[in-house]
Amino acid sequence: QVQLQQSGPGLVKPSQTLSLTCAISGELVSSNTAAWNWIRQSPSRGLEWLGTTFYRSKWYYEYAASVKGRIAINPETSKNHVSLQLVSVTPEDTAVYYCARAPLYYDYLWETYRAGAFDPWGQGTPVTVSS
Amino acid sequence: EIVLTQSPATLSLSPGDSATLSCTANESVTTYLAWYQQKPGQAPRLLIHDASSRATGTPPRFRGRGSGTDFTLTISSLEPEDFAIYYCQQRATWPPETTFGHGTKLE
Repeated sequence: QVQLQQSGPGLVKPSQTLSLTCAISGELVSSNTAAWNWIRQSPSRGLEWLGTTFYRSKWYYEYAASVKGRIAINPETSKNHVSLQLVSVTPEDTAVYYCARAPLYYDYLWETYRAGAFDPWGQGTPVTVSS
Repeated sequence: EIVLTQSPATLSLSPGDSATLSCTANESVTTYLAWYQQKPGQAPRLLIHDASSRATGTPPRFRGRGSGTDFTLTISSLEPEDFAIYYCQQRATWPPETTFGHGTKLE
């Protein structure tokens, strides 16, 4: 059974970098049947998917347009975790951040990788951007 | 971007009642739709995936239906623990894009 345990600071100053870690147990981060995601939730934006990484002979990364250029999701195989870095944060980045697993498969009809629904989720990390 | 509209925003019912929650997409997502339940202070929990398949541990009183643009989540005979917020999510365009609805609060 996969479990996800998040860690990281709950307060970040504007213009600085938000860094969170999601420790994975029960599956390798390099599994070829899983995609690892970061999602955030705020009253103003609701649930917002931020990005994903998965391994299929090489590492793939996909990021939401809303944060592209500011975000990096990095797998760390030696620690079996996946990290989130969001640079140049503003108060609009204040949210609860979640990591989540999605099952990964290859869609032969459309010749693309697809991922299923998010399950399980980490416990969530409330992050406030404020000076 | 695929937009998911959930209705109603709030649904007021009593234990034992049946609930019907709606999720409408602005373009077809085939059956790439999931439902999540979220309780205060907790992460969302997957209930239904691929429009109608119950996730492991989801009680049979939860039923998902629909395809294309119109989906429903029906909860028969509400239990006290069912009062929560429910979100739908589409993955038809994922990667790189997946979107969530804004939720229905069942109170």
